[in-house]
Order: sequence, then C-alpha cells, then structure tokens
Amino acid sequence: DAGITQSPRHKVTETGTPVTLRCHQTENHRYMYWYRQDPGHGLRLIHYSYGVKDTDKGEVSDGYSVSRSKTEDFLLTLESATSSQTSVYFCATRLAARGVEQFFGPGTRLTVL
Amino acid sequence: DQQVKQNSPSLSVQEGRISILNCDYTNSMFDYFLWYKKYPAEGPTFLISISSIKDKNEDGRFTVFLNKSAKHLSLHIVPSQPGDSAVYFCAARRPFKTSYDKVIFGPGTSLSVIP
Repeated sequence: DAGITQSPRHKVTETGTPVTLRCHQTENHRYMYWYRQDPGHGLRLIHYSYGVKDTDKGEVSDGYSVSRSKTEDFLLTLESATSSQTSVYFCATRLAARGVEQFFGPGTRLTVL
Repeated sequence: DQQVKQNSPSLSVQEGRISILNCDYTNSMFDYFLWYKKYPAEGPTFLISISSIKDKNEDGRFTVFLNKSAKHLSLHIVPSQPGDSAVYFCAARRPFKTSYDKVIFGPGTSLSVIP
C-alpha cells in the first residue's frame, strides 16, 4: 500500500466551472498517474508524471491539465468542466526501477451537471 | 480500438469452484501482463503479473496463463471464495519511452462468487 489519498472523494459541479483534484502519496514513488474509469472503457490514462515538474499527456488528455511541484502531490485540473468529464478519477503511483505494478488511490467521483 | 479486450462483462461461479477470467490482446509488443482487482468504492489493487517470456505464474489461489501465439491470457482462481467477488481488470504494458512505459487496461469483468 503506497499511502495514496485523493481529495475530494466526491464532487458535484456545474458545466463551465474549474475543478482541481488532488492526489497525495507518502511513499516517495517517482511516477504518478491520473486515470478515469468509465463503463465499457476500463481505466484510461489522462496524464502522468515521471518526476517533479516532469509531466506528459496520456490518451485522453484533452480538457485536462496537471501539475507536480512536489514529489508527494499530483494535481489534476479541469479548466472548464463538461458533462463528458463526469467520471470516477483514480490516481496511481509506481516505484521506479522495481516491478511493474501501480498502486491506486481510492478514487474521486466527479459529477458535472 | 481496444488493444486489451475482456469479452465477458460478468461471470458467476459457485463458491469452491474454479473461476476463469479471460483476456485477449492485439499488440505483440506488450512485455508484461497484469491483473488488478477492484471492489466498489475502492481503487484497483494489484493481484498478479506475468512476463511475456513466461507462460504461467502462480500465487496462492491465483494462476495466470499466457498463450502468446493466441494473444490470450487467463486468470484462474481456485477455489473461488465469496470475497473474490469484484471487478477484475486485465492490463498490458508496453515499453514506450525511457520515461514512461504504457499500460493499457481492459474494460473489466465483474466476478460474482455465490455462496
């Protein structure tokens, strides 16, 4: 267990408003990821980070941005939320140079009305 | 285009019997395959993995089999227990960049183990 927390756990917002989701880890893992989970699609990668201030896009990055100013924190921002971004968002971490498994946070359920 | 497919959205098995979850993939560049288990309102947790150079990996009640020629892998749970009821995600990793290895997840199979 990589000690990953996500906040908030639930959020309801309106179309057009900005939203920021936070992921915090206590294990000093180098890699961090943001996924979204939707029925029929499994988990799809939004953005990832391979170190402080080093981030890159995943397969569904449109409408999302990220920042990582400290090893332990990875923020996901929806600049202007849309209903298509209603989803469950998971943060994950991986310890570099050992194993292939990722450790997941508990998720944030976001509803955009 | 789904590179990792789990064609059975759900599966029901009696307690004590074998559960077999299947996964197919299309990309021969994948070098590792993983299974994750997810309970409602929780994040996925890693269950077991297998390297593409192996055809079997076992961990307690869980065994993963890999058939590279068929691009198919399966997870066997023996014996199945009610606590195994969860959604199971198959995932495949492809080395992509020096900074990132790409992991593709399947859509998941919901397993129900009936007491």
